Amino acid sequence: AQSVAQPEDQVNVAEGNPLTVKCTYSVSGNPYLFWYVQYPNRGLQFLLKYITGDNLVKGSYGFEAEFNKSQTSFHLKKPSALVSDSALYFCAVRDRGASDYKLSFGAGTTVTVRA
Amino acid sequence: GAVVSQHPSRVICKSGTSVKIECRSLDFQATTMFWYRQFPKQSLMLMATSNEGSKATYEQGVEKDKFLINHASLTLSTLTVTSAHPEDSSFYICSAKWGISGGYEQYFGPGTRLTVT
Repeated sequence: AQSVAQPEDQVNVAEGNPLTVKCTYSVSGNPYLFWYVQYPNRGLQFLLKYITGDNLVKGSYGFEAEFNKSQTSFHLKKPSALVSDSALYFCAVRDRGASDYKLSFGAGTTVTVRA
Repeated sequence: GAVVSQHPSRVICKSGTSVKIECRSLDFQATTMFWYRQFPKQSLMLMATSNEGSKATYEQGVEKDKFLINHASLTLSTLTVTSAHPEDSSFYICSAKWGISGGYEQYFGPGTRLTVT
């Protein structure tokens, strides 16, 4: 079984401040981890993924995420948020040992960046 | 990068009619596609896994006779909502599996907003 928890429904930050969106996961084996962003009435856009190797993953639009195995976390971060980063963010996990390629998504976190 | 399109982006239909939604991988071949349903401000709910040349695998609680999925080619999967009712109104999103090995990603289409009146 695999699951993802995003403990915060909403995150509000001022433009220029650091942004963090939290994610913890649960899998039977080792995880593949993903972050996606969704703008209103649009599909999901891929931001970044952790497969193996370096725990710090850099992705699109200046986002990065850190894989922490001991804490089973994969928090998304951006050093300086922009108003245009306001969107719905989803963390997702897939068990490496699973052959069905299904992703389990968190409930999503709405990020609002105020000018 | 991998691009997935959906058509139509928005459709309104009358109760009792059927609606077909297309999902295409534009610049890659996708042996596996996924269909999701999303309610307002909620996460994605996986409906089914669509495999090219074989029957779709439906998630528990999803009516296979109501949501017909056909993956006839490596670039096209279709979802047909049969005898649609207002409760079928939702945002439907498809995705396609893409990757070289191991960490396959899912690339998502832009979604289709279905409204049943």
